[in-house]
Amino acid sequence: DVKVTQSSRYLVKRTGEKVFLECVQDMDHENMFWYRQDPGLGLRLIYFSYDVKMKEKGDIPEGYSVSREKKERFSLILESASTNQTSMYLCASSLRDHQPQHFGDGTRLSIL
Amino acid sequence: GEDVEQSLFLSVREGDSSVINCTYTDSSSTYLYWYKQEPGAGLQLLTYIFSNMDMKQDQRLTVLLNKKDKHLSLRIADTQTGDSAIYFCAESKGSGGGADGLTFGKGTHLIIQP
Repeated sequence: DVKVTQSSRYLVKRTGEKVFLECVQDMDHENMFWYRQDPGLGLRLIYFSYDVKMKEKGDIPEGYSVSREKKERFSLILESASTNQTSMYLCASSLRDHQPQHFGDGTRLSIL
Repeated sequence: GEDVEQSLFLSVREGDSSVINCTYTDSSSTYLYWYKQEPGAGLQLLTYIFSNMDMKQDQRLTVLLNKKDKHLSLRIADTQTGDSAIYFCAESKGSGGGADGLTFGKGTHLIIQP
């Protein structure tokens, strides 16, 4: 079974802090993705990566950056957290293009 | 532009069939997906269908695709209390396929009545 692991289920941080959300997959998948999920807005793509050190902006990249130094790990970085970044963050991976995405359990992030 | 539409709620009696509908706009989508999300959890891939197929069946799940009308449905036979969840329809983004992420509907809350 594909396993996508997000490092924290719940996280509370303060406005202005630099926040790191970590995601690891154990199936040698090429593609990795970060989404955020908000009530009434559904899931929105923040960033994705199709290879080590490669990244592409999704629909809502503002205020975020990402890092993919190793194939199995994809990090989402909030450079200076703000209250409007309070959300559920979901990481996903896929083996290659045109293959289904598999999701982690999510990190519920609260910015105070 | 890309958009995926679903009804927000569906209520069915236990033991009946549930049919969750979805419309999408991107005719170049390669795959269409159904995901299930239980409270406090991530998204679980239920099933998916390639755009050149009309139907796919997997145990209690049947997916129907009408490409002409850009309509996708998920039928759950013999609905059980454990099927209570939010169901998301998703399409692959344009010609980029899986590497460009998915466009999701806002999800349908399936409510099971005893």
